Amino acid sequence: EAGVTQFPSHSVIEKGQTVTLRCDPISGHDNLYWYRRVMGKEIKFLLHFVKESKQDESGMPNNRFLAERTGGTYSTLKVQPAELEDSGVYFCASSQDPKTAYEQYFGPGTRLTVT
Amino acid sequence: LAKTTQPISMDSYEGQEVNITCSHNNIATNDYITWYQQFPSQGPRFIIQGYKTKVTNEVASLFIPADRKSSTLSLPRVSLSDTAVYYCLVGQTDSWGKFQFGAGTQVVVTP
Repeated sequence: EAGVTQFPSHSVIEKGQTVTLRCDPISGHDNLYWYRRVMGKEIKFLLHFVKESKQDESGMPNNRFLAERTGGTYSTLKVQPAELEDSGVYFCASSQDPKTAYEQYFGPGTRLTVT
Repeated sequence: LAKTTQPISMDSYEGQEVNITCSHNNIATNDYITWYQQFPSQGPRFIIQGYKTKVTNEVASLFIPADRKSSTLSLPRVSLSDTAVYYCLVGQTDSWGKFQFGAGTQVVVTP
């Protein structure tokens, strides 16, 4: 069974540009989460999808970040315009159902560098 | 979400047992305790979860005292490949998995 995949693995962009990160969860997993770790900080929750609906987006830092999950399959996280403080590693995770939400399967992450 | 406190780092030799204790004094009745492992350049990986007493799987054991204000992850006979960061997470199973990661414990295993 394929795990959670993320694309790209690494992205380097200039301040002010736009970047879109993609996450493909494990097939059949309705729950999809985005987390990020900015330099020197801890992994922080960004938001949670249940199928195509946003269940909790309380961790989204500001309106420069837009997450979508059309069709309830893969998800994208767009940062527009990117700022220097957005640099870090963005993780996506998925879980099968609410009863097993504690067991999340994480992808390898996308390392975003904003220069 | 309950705040957790765990040691920043621990060193061990191959073949030894490693015990990582996590404090969570404000744990709520509905909270479960979950541990994740993270290798460099990878996402965190679920290890074990428990509510009280002892839970054991093929990877680790989790000991939770009656007051549940702390928990101990036990890694038996560690190998070099167990070198990783270990996170203790506390949350409700009905909170849809919104985890609050702390700094974790860096475990370094040497020959």
